[in-house]
Amino acid sequence: QVQLVESGGGVVQPGGSLRLSCAASGFTFNDYGMHWVRQAPGKGLEWVAFIRYDGGDKDYADSVKGRFTISRDNSKNTLYLQMNSLRPEDTAMYYCVKAKKIAAKIYYMDVWGKGATVTVSS
Amino acid sequence: QTVVTQEPSFSVSLGGTVTLTCALNSDSVSTSHYPTWYQQTPGQAPRTLIHSTNGRSSGVPDRFSGSILGNKAALTITGAQADDESDYYCVLYMGSGIWVFGGGTKLTVL
Repeated sequence: QVQLVESGGGVVQPGGSLRLSCAASGFTFNDYGMHWVRQAPGKGLEWVAFIRYDGGDKDYADSVKGRFTISRDNSKNTLYLQMNSLRPEDTAMYYCVKAKKIAAKIYYMDVWGKGATVTVSS
Repeated sequence: QTVVTQEPSFSVSLGGTVTLTCALNSDSVSTSHYPTWYQQTPGQAPRTLIHSTNGRSSGVPDRFSGSILGNKAALTITGAQADDESDYYCVLYMGSGIWVFGGGTKLTVL
């Protein structure tokens, strides 16, 4: 059974940094790409970033490009999201999502973790 | 700027049929956008219902179906149940690894 457990959320001041982790189990982690998706309080979903199974390909939403970095450690079955220069509008629940390949270089968001809360406030 | 639009709210009678849609401001939605649909109840993580226009995810009841209707992606619920009352989100693939979500539809089952 696929399990994705996010951690590392918390309260941080504007301009600060935070690193989220996602511990994966129940599947062969290094065979699958992974996404991060966020949801601001009372708002809709926003795709944030994707990383290919081997870490060789990464994509970002314009809203986080240059500030956030997605990475993975396949030896630890763990996905990361390094968030720098945080802004109040980055306040959200951040979901780790297992991807599933549907076409060449196209991976949709399949199985979701329960999320970690990030609050950016002074 | 790419904007994906969904109906903000919709209601359906218990046992009835409802179709939710997902539109693109700059283009018609096609299968090349790999429309994907999610269901989310308050306080819970989203659950995948439909991928690649009409591919039903494992464990999803067959009363949920996806399609392209005209220039939009569509999610149809046939024989709505009380526990279908949820928020529904579509997402479209825009190329170059980029996905864009719609604003979501709040479905009420009467």
